[in-house]
Amino acid sequence: KNEVEQSPQNLTAQEGEFITINCSYSVGISALHWLQQHPGGGIVSLFMLSSGKKKHGRLIATINIQEKHSSLHITASHPRDSAVYICAALNNNDMRFGAGTRLTVKP
Amino acid sequence: DVKVTQSSRYLVKRTGEKVFLECVQDMDHENMFWYRQDPGLGLRLIYFSYDVKMKEKGDIPEGYSVSREKKERFSLILESASTNQTSMYLCASSLTGQTYGYTFGSGTRLTVV
Repeated sequence: KNEVEQSPQNLTAQEGEFITINCSYSVGISALHWLQQHPGGGIVSLFMLSSGKKKHGRLIATINIQEKHSSLHITASHPRDSAVYICAALNNNDMRFGAGTRLTVKP
Repeated sequence: DVKVTQSSRYLVKRTGEKVFLECVQDMDHENMFWYRQDPGLGLRLIYFSYDVKMKEKGDIPEGYSVSREKKERFSLILESASTNQTSMYLCASSLTGQTYGYTFGSGTRLTVV
């Protein structure tokens, strides 16, 4: 079993929809990353959080340490949000990655 | 703008060739990492380095080696490329300490034919 599980694997949404991607982890963490990877490969760090909630524009990330669960929400989704979203659990310098969620937002 | 630079975006090599993938960071980060990314498997750690001339095996080091002669440069070497090494390779760097995140390069898509 993977130490970091994401769901769903693939997600297709219509423009404007509210999107949620879930991440569960079984390892101890010092922080959790949400990463975005666009076609072409480059990875961008969206959030790093160790408790509570963070918001940046239309993106919101939450984490529940007791339940070992994090969610990434996108409000008013747009086709430019189409990408692979990756959850990663960080413990000191050891990073464990989920398999990613491929999001496609249709106009 | 700080960055991690990978020397090639796309690379095609023949089976048996020796392949060098280069990664350079300009952030004075101690830690550097090489991952490969395959569909359905996510990112898997090949090798990492916490200091110059220091290297540690990750989860899938077989068929690979690395070199870190200078702090800013971390090279991944495929001694004899094989078709099962066709993949996306991503380099990352970080500062030591749990509050710091990783910075990733743009990736190198390697095809071995």
